Amino acid sequence: DAKTTQPTSMDCAEGRAANLPCNHSTISGNEYVYWYRQIHSQGPQYIIHGLKNNETNEMASLIITEDRKSSTLILPHATLRDTAVYYCIVRVQEGSSNTGKLIFGQGTTLQVKP
Amino acid sequence: KAGVTQTPRYLIKTRGQQVTLSCSPISGHRSVSWYQQTPGQGLQFLFEYFSETQRNKGNFPGRFSGRQFSNSRSEMNVSTLELGDSALYLCASSLAGDYNEQFFGPGTRLTVL
Repeated sequence: DAKTTQPTSMDCAEGRAANLPCNHSTISGNEYVYWYRQIHSQGPQYIIHGLKNNETNEMASLIITEDRKSSTLILPHATLRDTAVYYCIVRVQEGSSNTGKLIFGQGTTLQVKP
Repeated sequence: KAGVTQTPRYLIKTRGQQVTLSCSPISGHRSVSWYQQTPGQGLQFLFEYFSETQRNKGNFPGRFSGRQFSNSRSEMNVSTLELGDSALYLCASSLAGDYNEQFFGPGTRLTVL
């Protein structure tokens, strides 16, 4: 099962910041938080990831609380093309081998409106 | 750099048949993971291959299998197809499969009649 909880859906006005919350209260100390999004009928797209510090790239910012039990993905100026399902994922570490297994939850459907 | 490619993009099969799907990772990527996406179950991890070895496996029956070749290309096979196998099958590649970001292909849409 996914270790994250996200709201089912959110709306955002075009040009405004979209703040997508995620709860991961059982996260372990060495597990990363990843965000992906999936635009309709396409494969998921990587957005950003972080461990404990806030992170920023050309797409978004990731704010992780000090206790690491929750995080927020921020799209600073949402456009219509940002309408998608956003997945918050805690990266699973299997034994001694860090593997490429992602456990997806149901995600948040973000609707950006004109 | 070319992205992850999957073939075929669309496929229609009937119950009881078998199917093979192909995934070509980004050049230099050694890890390939497979996922199944359905409206009811969402995105579910099938398995991951790294250097021709299956490194991790999800909770799917033995009808689902895969392999990886020396050039990192991967195939997955589903035998004795069931109606419930209708889904979008996605593969993702990454450099080493650990905390590297995964790049997803466009998927293969399988319909089982």
